[in-house]
Amino acid sequence: GAGVSQTPSNKVTEKGKYVELRCDPISGHTALYWYRQSLGQGPEFLIYFQGTGAADDSGLPNDRFFAVRPEGSVSTLKIQRTERGDSAVYLCASSLGGTGFYEQYFGPGTRLTVT
Amino acid sequence: SQQGEEDPQALSIQEGENATMNCSYKTSINNLQWYRQNSGRGLVHLILIRSNEREKHSGRLRVTLDTSKKSSSLLITASRAADTASYFCATGVQGAQKLVFGQGTRLTINP
Repeated sequence: GAGVSQTPSNKVTEKGKYVELRCDPISGHTALYWYRQSLGQGPEFLIYFQGTGAADDSGLPNDRFFAVRPEGSVSTLKIQRTERGDSAVYLCASSLGGTGFYEQYFGPGTRLTVT
Repeated sequence: SQQGEEDPQALSIQEGENATMNCSYKTSINNLQWYRQNSGRGLVHLILIRSNEREKHSGRLRVTLDTSKKSSSLLITASRAADTASYFCATGVQGAQKLVFGQGTRLTINP
């Protein structure tokens, strides 16, 4: 079946602009995660959705970052007033969710460059 | 902040040799997962080992977990050029659904 997809694959924006990054999870996966990966580092957790609700947003760095998942499937990560330090690869993952802990399946990522 | 530390940071071996990567972590976990990443993009899930398991196999992969030492190892046997990638361990922290990743081991298989 289809894996996790993310659009766009690359995004270049100017400092101060607003960007939206989209994630389509695997069909049937109720849990969705956003991570951010800087060059040479491992991914860092941003936010976790179970269904439509953000169950854990403890990784969002500040209030310029916001994410939604209105229908419990597609999610959008929104970044306001972008800064050069926001440049990174933004990864989305999904899993079956529910009780216990499941493998997370990652999308190819969106490479965000803030100039 | 990142919990895991992978060792070594980089490893270069000849094709056909075995590769061993280690991961240490700090807090209590309910599971530990290993991922592979090519070219700095999407991660591919390799194996999940739960906190009550000590060893798990999948094809040429063997993972061990020692919760008393808070460490795990990934062994890739009979390495191939296609195994060249970065390998990350990620811990499932108790009480949370998120994964906490280490900084990774960059593995290079020389033909």
